[in-house]
Amino acid sequence: AQKITQTQPGMFVQEKEAVTLDCTYDTSDQSYGLFWYKQPSSGEMIFLIYQGSYDEQNATEGRYSLNFQKARKSANLVISASQLGDSAMYFCAMRESYTGGFKTIFGAGTRLFVKA
Amino acid sequence: NAGVTQTPKFQVLKTGQSMTLQCAQDMNHNSMYWYRQDPGMGLRLIYYSASEGTTDKGEVPNGYNVSRLNKREFSLRLESAAPSQTSVYFCASSELGLGETQYFGPGTRLLVL
Repeated sequence: AQKITQTQPGMFVQEKEAVTLDCTYDTSDQSYGLFWYKQPSSGEMIFLIYQGSYDEQNATEGRYSLNFQKARKSANLVISASQLGDSAMYFCAMRESYTGGFKTIFGAGTRLFVKA
Repeated sequence: NAGVTQTPKFQVLKTGQSMTLQCAQDMNHNSMYWYRQDPGMGLRLIYYSASEGTTDKGEVPNGYNVSRLNKREFSLRLESAAPSQTSVYFCASSELGLGETQYFGPGTRLLVL
C-alpha cells in the first residue's frame, strides 16, 4: 500500500508567487516524522524541512513552510516567493519507528517548474 | 568532512554480471540506507541498517544483498544483474531518531544491458 502520496506529478508557478506541493501519508503510528527534500537537476538530495507528529506548530524554514494537518494526514509544502532556482523535484517522506530503529519512505515526487 | 561517498559514480553491466556498490560516511551515524530511484517512482528503500551489525529489508530487496562492514561502510551487492535493476542508487545515513535528517550520497547510475 502506498504510504506517501504526492498527487501532482508536475506543477508550474510564476516567479515570485507562492506554490503548494501536496503530500498525504498513511500510518497507524502516533509518533512519526515528515520531511521534504529537494532534488535539483544535478541529482543531489537536499533536506528542506521537518515536522514531527507531535509538533503543534507548523514547521518553517526560510521560504519553506509545512502545512501539517494531522487529522487529514497531510503535510503540504508551501514555497513562498518562488525563485527560478526552485525548479526541481520535491519529495515528501515519512519516517517511522520499528523494532530496532527507524526507516524513511518517500513519495513519488512532484516536479516544480518556476517560470520567469 | 566528505559526508556520504559512493563508488562508482557510473557503471555498465551485462545481464548476469555481479557488482558491489560501495558507500561510506564520515559523520559517525548509526543508520545507513540504500535506495533506488526510477523515473516516476521516487526513491524506494532497498535495505537499511539501523546500526552496525544489523540489516533489514526495505520495500524492494529482491535481487540485492547488503553488508554493513563497520559503522562507516554499507555495501550493496547485485549477484546477477538484470535490466530491471537499471536505476540510480542512493546511499544515505542518519542518526537514530524520528527527527533525524538523512544525508545522501551523490548516487550511482547503473545501466544493465
